[in-house]
Amino acid sequence: ETGVTQTPRHLVMGMTNKKSLKCEQHLGHNAMYWYKQSAKKPLELMFVYSLEERVENNSVPSRFSPECPNSSHLFLHLHTLQPEDSALYLCASSQAQDTQYFGPGTRLTVL
Amino acid sequence: DAKTTQPNSMESNEEEPVHLPCNHSTISGTDYIHWYRQLPSQGPEYVIHGLTSNVNNRMASLAIAEDRKSSTLILHRATLRDAAVYYCILIGGNDYKLSFGAGTTVTVRA
Repeated sequence: ETGVTQTPRHLVMGMTNKKSLKCEQHLGHNAMYWYKQSAKKPLELMFVYSLEERVENNSVPSRFSPECPNSSHLFLHLHTLQPEDSALYLCASSQAQDTQYFGPGTRLTVL
Repeated sequence: DAKTTQPNSMESNEEEPVHLPCNHSTISGTDYIHWYRQLPSQGPEYVIHGLTSNVNNRMASLAIAEDRKSSTLILHRATLRDAAVYYCILIGGNDYKLSFGAGTTVTVRA
């Protein structure tokens, strides 16, 4: 238990669906992250929020839309995804640029 | 981004030490050396980090070469629960980004 929770843990969606991934951190951190981990590939940083402002967006397609309403919550809104978007989506938090703590991930399958 | 090089895999017997090397010849003076590990079906987990001096915590030890161009993560007595992918990552002072490579897959034999 790292203090970072993610829901749902598993999600299956069609290409025309709209869904959202949720992340919540209970550590009092001020930075939150979304990473993507595809099979046989290293983790890829998608988005970084610091003090609820987006500070990094790593050329992620617009079908992924992040939202950070406060320092404890982070969402990833998904729409019109492709099968190649199937992956493990990981959320992390940190205090500034200090150690990052990861959640358990959401396993996403796009049919 | 400063790069790291790690062996693809290592095997160990239970209760024996494991030494995981990492080369980072282009490390800058402000880069911290971090180690994370990822157990099957879980998110990455912080293990240890250091700048210049060797570091110890309840999970592992980190030995840093004097020129900082390499480091070694030491698991003193491997258990089956230590089977994971171990990542060596350099993080600069103003950098939010963790650049994960392929890491080293550690297998522990009972």
